Amino acid sequence: DIQMTQSPSSLSASVGDRVTITCRASHDIRIFLNWYQEKPGKAPKLLIYAASSLQSGVPSRFSGSGSGTDFTLTISSLQPEDFATYHCQQSYSTPRTFGQGTKLEIK
Amino acid sequence: QVQLQQWGAGLLKPSETLSLTCVVYGGSFSGYSWTWIRQPPGKRLEWIGEINHSGSTNYNPSLKGRVTLSVDRSKNQFSLKLSSVTAADTAVYYCARGRVAGGHTFDVWGPGTMVTVSS
Repeated sequence: DIQMTQSPSSLSASVGDRVTITCRASHDIRIFLNWYQEKPGKAPKLLIYAASSLQSGVPSRFSGSGSGTDFTLTISSLQPEDFATYHCQQSYSTPRTFGQGTKLEIK
Repeated sequence: QVQLQQWGAGLLKPSETLSLTCVVYGGSFSGYSWTWIRQPPGKRLEWIGEINHSGSTNYNPSLKGRVTLSVDRSKNQFSLKLSSVTAADTAVYYCARGRVAGGHTFDVWGPGTMVTVSS
């Protein structure tokens, strides 16, 4: 199985901050990396697919980059509704695996 | 607007079989992989398996043959059965649509069902 490791596991930031979350795969997954946002009591929501493609309807302050084993999710200017948990997921091979999540909290 | 609605028993005893069903509203059933994902309390999301409209399946080997996915195309529904449950199977279970174009993403999710296994 491909192991996915996110860092940090938690992060405190303020509205307006620029935030970066990283995800590392245990094997080369090319660009088969997706990012999801999860809020309490809600299902995860797809933000970014294929490492850097923005899902329809997602604000442009979200962006993704990377290839191979190292990936990043960046939020350019945090908004109040962005405080949530973020998950990366590889779709290169089965079983499809997720990172442990990064909880983004208000400072 | 595609929506997924799911249902099933939320409280099971050890050794029983978990059974959940998900229905697809407002979109095509073919051309996608219909997926089950779970999240145990305090743990990461775990992919359980997927089935396409013709019934071809892919399962997570970690579930050691306890999983069966099925599809009912006439009702736009797909189902999960997980046998011989233990406390380790306690989790929120989600159904999701797997979109193959763009690299197999989960672009539509059901609301989730909390399943507790307890004697």
